[in-house]
Formats: sequence, structure tokens, C-alpha cells
Amino acid sequence: DAGVIQSPRHEVTEMGQEVTLRCKPISGHNSLFWYRQTMMRGLELLIYFNNNVPIDDSGMPEDRFSAKMPNASFSTLKIQPSEPRDSAVYFCASSGDRTHGYTFGSGTRLTVV
Amino acid sequence: DAKTTQPTSMDCAEGRAANLPCNHSTISGNEYVYWYRQIHSQGPQYIIHGLKNNETNEMASLIITEDRKSSTLILPHATLRDTAVYYCIVSARPMDSNYQLIWGAGTKLIIKP
Repeated sequence: DAGVIQSPRHEVTEMGQEVTLRCKPISGHNSLFWYRQTMMRGLELLIYFNNNVPIDDSGMPEDRFSAKMPNASFSTLKIQPSEPRDSAVYFCASSGDRTHGYTFGSGTRLTVV
Repeated sequence: DAKTTQPTSMDCAEGRAANLPCNHSTISGNEYVYWYRQIHSQGPQYIIHGLKNNETNEMASLIITEDRKSSTLILPHATLRDTAVYYCIVSARPMDSNYQLIWGAGTKLIIKP
């Protein structure tokens, strides 16, 4: 089991550019979560999907953020246009109906300059 | 606001048991107690969860008080690799109507040689 796979591990981009973060959940897991972590705000849930359907996106900070899950094995989090305050570590996590705990990926460290 | 209260930091000697407390006085009947930890620069890692009964797995033990208003995570023989931030979270299952997963600041546990 390769776990939750996120790419890229690090991303440095200029303000105003589009950024796409990718996540492959664990096979068989039907819930997927996107989190953002900063020193100031800690770990924040941005959005979560169940069976590829967005259930709660109330944590998405603003319209510049969007997330999709076109199939059970892939999800993207897009920021367009990016701003310096978006700099953070973004984590993807997945879980299944028969599991309680979430499995997190290694995260994407995003730096917007 | 997080629904749990944890000490900001704790120290423990290597080889001794580390006991991490958590208060969750407003826990609801269908909410579980979850523990995760985050080692520096890694994604959070699920440790254990419980509803009413005490639980034990290969990583730790979870002791929940009879009134469910507090719990203690026990690492029986702490090693230097257990140095991490430990998060206590109360949450219903994602499919439950009152699902809400809120992460607090956690307890920074430092294991000393």
C-alpha cells in the first residue's frame, strides 16, 4: 500500500500564477479531505468529498480556490490566481467507511513569492 | 474553536510512559475521541480512537473516563522518535449529520534522552 500520494512535494510560484495540487487517495477509500496548515492558523479543513461528491466546502477560503474529484483515484486543488498569503503546507487525506482514522499524504509545501 | 483542551507542551524521559491528557467536556453521544500525531515536516498520523471503552493497539493505549469528558493517551515506552505534536480530536463519523473535525494546537511532546 503506497498510502496517500501527493504531488508535487514542493512548489514555488509567483504571485498571480495558477497552482494545481494533486492527490491520489488510498484505493478503496471513499472519503477525501484537503487540509491547509500554517504556523498562524494550524491545520484547517478546506473541503471534503465522499464518493467523489463535495460534501462540505465551507473551509475553502475564497473563490480563488477550487477542488475537483473526477474519479475515485484522483483529486486536485487549484488556486487561481495565487497570492503570497496562500503559502502553506497542503495535505490530502483519505478514509473509508470501514476505517475511523484518516491517512494523510506527505503534503505539498507551497510558496508564493 | 476546537472542542478539546490539551496542554501546550510536555516532556518525558526516554523509556518511560508518556501520558497525554485531553479534556472534551462537551462531547456528544455519537462523537469519538481520536488521537493523531504529527512528526516534524510530515503529515499527521492516526494513532487510535475510542467511543466509550478503553482501547489499545500497537502504538498506544487510550483511557476514556466514564463520563467521557476527558481521556488520556498513553505511550507505554516512549522513544526519541515519539517526539511530535499530539492532537486530540472529538468528532462524529464523516457520514453523520453533525460531522465537524476541528484541530486544535495539540500538545508538543518532547522525549528526552
